Amino acid sequence: GAGVSQSPSNKVTEKGKDVELRCDPISGHTALYWYRQSLGQGLEFLIYFQGNSAPDKSGLPSDRFSAERTGGSVSTLTIQRTQQEDSAVYLCASSLGQGGAYEQYFGPGTRLTVT
Amino acid sequence: AQTVTQSQPEMSVQEAETVTLSCTYDTSESDYYLFWYKQPPSRQMILVIRQEAYKQQNATENRFSVNFQKAAKSFSLKISDSQLGDAAMYFCALRNFNKFYFGSGTKLNVKP
Repeated sequence: GAGVSQSPSNKVTEKGKDVELRCDPISGHTALYWYRQSLGQGLEFLIYFQGNSAPDKSGLPSDRFSAERTGGSVSTLTIQRTQQEDSAVYLCASSLGQGGAYEQYFGPGTRLTVT
Repeated sequence: AQTVTQSQPEMSVQEAETVTLSCTYDTSESDYYLFWYKQPPSRQMILVIRQEAYKQQNATENRFSVNFQKAAKSFSLKISDSQLGDAAMYFCALRNFNKFYFGSGTKLNVKP
């Protein structure tokens, strides 16, 4: 079956512009995560969606970052007024459920470059 | 607070030999799960192996096995008979409730 997909795979934008990154999770997966991975670093948690519950936004670094998940499926991460420090790979992952040993399935990521 | 520490930024192993990647973590929870993920240069992360904290038996998946020391909060990954395809970044992760906490990764080089 299809895995997690993300688009675009690469995005170059000018400082100050807004960007939208898209994630299509695996069908039936109720949990969806966004992470940021800076060069040579581990994954930084950004936001988590589980079903119809309110998202856990505790990892969002500033109010310029927001995310939505429509219909419990596709998610969009929006970064407003991008800054150079926003340059990173943004990874999306989905999971069958919460709790237990559910693993995350990762997408290929979107590489964002802010010039 | 939950933290995951990988103290080896980079390691090398000869093809067909064995290598162990270290991971320590800190959590005050008693119920949690531990994972090792692999990220090849193509950058898509895939699960290597997982361990439930309540299980004393170390998990094994073919050439991959873990040494889980709960009291010491240590979770190392052993790769036996290393292959060129094992070259990647390896991340240790702790799952507590709905969140995953990742280490900074270890880059594994495999020499032919």
